Formats: sequence, structure tokens, C-alpha cells
Amino acid sequence: DTEVTQTPKHLVMGMTNKKSLKCEQHMGHRAMYWYKQKAKKPPELMFVYSYEKLSINESVPSRFSPECPNSSLLNLHLHALQPEDSALYLCASSQVQHSGANVLTFGAGSRLTVL
Amino acid sequence: DQQVKQNSPSLSVQEGRISILNCDYTNSMFDYFLWYKKYPAEGPTFLISISSIKDKNEDGRFTVFLNKSAKHLSLHIVPSQPGDSAVYFCAATQNRDDKIIFGKGTRLHILP
Repeated sequence: DTEVTQTPKHLVMGMTNKKSLKCEQHMGHRAMYWYKQKAKKPPELMFVYSYEKLSINESVPSRFSPECPNSSLLNLHLHALQPEDSALYLCASSQVQHSGANVLTFGAGSRLTVL
Repeated sequence: DQQVKQNSPSLSVQEGRISILNCDYTNSMFDYFLWYKKYPAEGPTFLISISSIKDKNEDGRFTVFLNKSAKHLSLHIVPSQPGDSAVYFCAATQNRDDKIIFGKGTRLHILP
């Protein structure tokens, strides 16, 4: 299995809702990531988990709460979001290759719309 | 402050010709550079990387050139094919850091 699977593909939520995005990989990669991407912008790093521990939090608002239940799963819990949080949320995992480069494998993304 | 810059939002190239995508960076501590390709409604996929100790890396139709003194790298695709039409992101990282910085991307259109 060489994929990162994200669910749901699309999510519409109100500002008072609580929802979660889920991500799964079975490649044995030690690091998992959440990125946010808005139209015509690059992916922006939100969180990194390395060996199931949160290693990077890019000053993300607390209405986004990551969780890594085990080495294959990564969740992003969403609560009290704002319309400007509408974006494509990308999950990725990574492993250092033979070349020495740390290469990301991305999922297809979850398209979030906040009303 | 953007550490990785792709100054051309889009590029059109005739099928069969060479596509050249450019990327500039500001952080001299970056030691690996990567190119990703993204189709609509899909996540980015890894294409090719280069270490800062090299000036060229080739993989099939894709070659990446690195000019450290100019802090510039480029991705060459030859010959260009219709399936190469996508958004290409340049990315950089430091000391195998998990923090990977992306450029804004260049949309490549391959014309028939």
C-alpha cells in the first residue's frame, strides 16, 4: 500500500459544528502532517507528528486540534471554525529516501467549506 | 517572507518541446530541494529531488539543476507531454527537517 487515504473528500459545516478529518497510511512512515491549501497558494504547514508525538505546531488557532491515535492514523478535529478556514486540507506522511531527501506522500485532500 | 519563490504563475509549452520551470530561494541553509506535481482534485505527488551538494539530478524526462551561488533551481521536462499539464511546486528543507517549505507553484500547460 503506497497511499495516504483521507476522509471525507468534502465537508460542509456551520460555525458552531464539531467535525473531524481523518487520514490513514500503511507505509510505515514515521512522520505525518496536516497542510492547509487555499486557491492559488502553496500548501501551508499546520502540524507534524513524528513517531506519534506532536513535533511541529505552526501557531495554528486552537479551533484546529490534531490527534495521532497510532502510527497509521492522523485526525484533525474542527470546532467553531470561521468561513476563512474554508480550504483544502491535505494530509501527508514522509520517509527519508535513499537520496537523503525527506519525501512527502500526500493524500487527495479534504475540501472544507465553513458556512 | 517567502523563502521559496516561483515567480511565474503559469507557463505554456508546445508538446514535444522542453519545459523549464524556475524556483528561487533565500535560505542558504536549505540542503534538499524537491519538485512536486499536482493535478486538480488530487494531492501533490513527488517528482524529483536534489541535494545541495549536487548541481544536477536526472530521472527519465525530468532533470533538476541547482545553482547554489544564485540560489536558483530549475526543473527541465523534455520532451513535454500532454499529461505534464499540472501545477508544479518547488519545495525546500533543511537538515532533513520535517518542516518542508513550498513555493506558490507554476501552472504548466502543454499545447497540442
